[in-house]
Amino acid sequence: AQSVTQLDSHVSVSEGTPVLLRCNYSSSYSPSLFWYVQHPNKGLQLLLKYTSAATLVKGINGFEAEFKKSETSFHLTKPSAHMSDAAEYFCVVIITGGFKTIFGAGTRLFVKA
Amino acid sequence: NAGVTQTPKFRILKIGQSMTLQCTQDMNHNYMYWYRQDPGMGLKLIYYSVGAGITDKGEVPNGYNVSRSTTEDFPLRLELAAPSQTSVYFCASTYQQGKDYGYTFGSGTRLTVV
Repeated sequence: AQSVTQLDSHVSVSEGTPVLLRCNYSSSYSPSLFWYVQHPNKGLQLLLKYTSAATLVKGINGFEAEFKKSETSFHLTKPSAHMSDAAEYFCVVIITGGFKTIFGAGTRLFVKA
Repeated sequence: NAGVTQTPKFRILKIGQSMTLQCTQDMNHNYMYWYRQDPGMGLKLIYYSVGAGITDKGEVPNGYNVSRSTTEDFPLRLELAAPSQTSVYFCASTYQQGKDYGYTFGSGTRLTVV
């Protein structure tokens, strides 16, 4: 069975410190993996995607994620948090063939001044 | 380029009332979707469409209906609203359903049923 697990429902960091949002997936097939960000009262915006090219993927606003097949993980990182990064982040898996999309439950990121 | 536009942004319904959530996109995307978002639950697929005239059920279709008469529009109909339908609804579209294509989302409709 395919699934996506975001390991933390909430993450709190201080401004200027690194961000780590964790995502593990389970898939019998070769997946594509995405991270989306949702700011309050807004729709979801694509941050970055992995589609079987380079395992280290760079996205918008300084975020990046590394696909680790051996660990079935796709963690999202940023070297230095900014107040504007406070939002909810969703890890998403699209199964090969593209006919099934699975959303993680989301991780809310808080950034303290 | 407006992307995906949803209306209304907020709505309060009484139990048993009906309403239509509107969704339109101007990107000529064939694939369109309706999701609901409940706290701590991620997004759940209600209905989707692979092109004008073609729709199919997602994970949680009960209590909803859709139509797709044009490429641009994909309205979601709620008949006999129930408190369990209190949620945030998102419409999304994509050019092609596949590994390399992400979704474009609307800004959502926050619905409360009382």
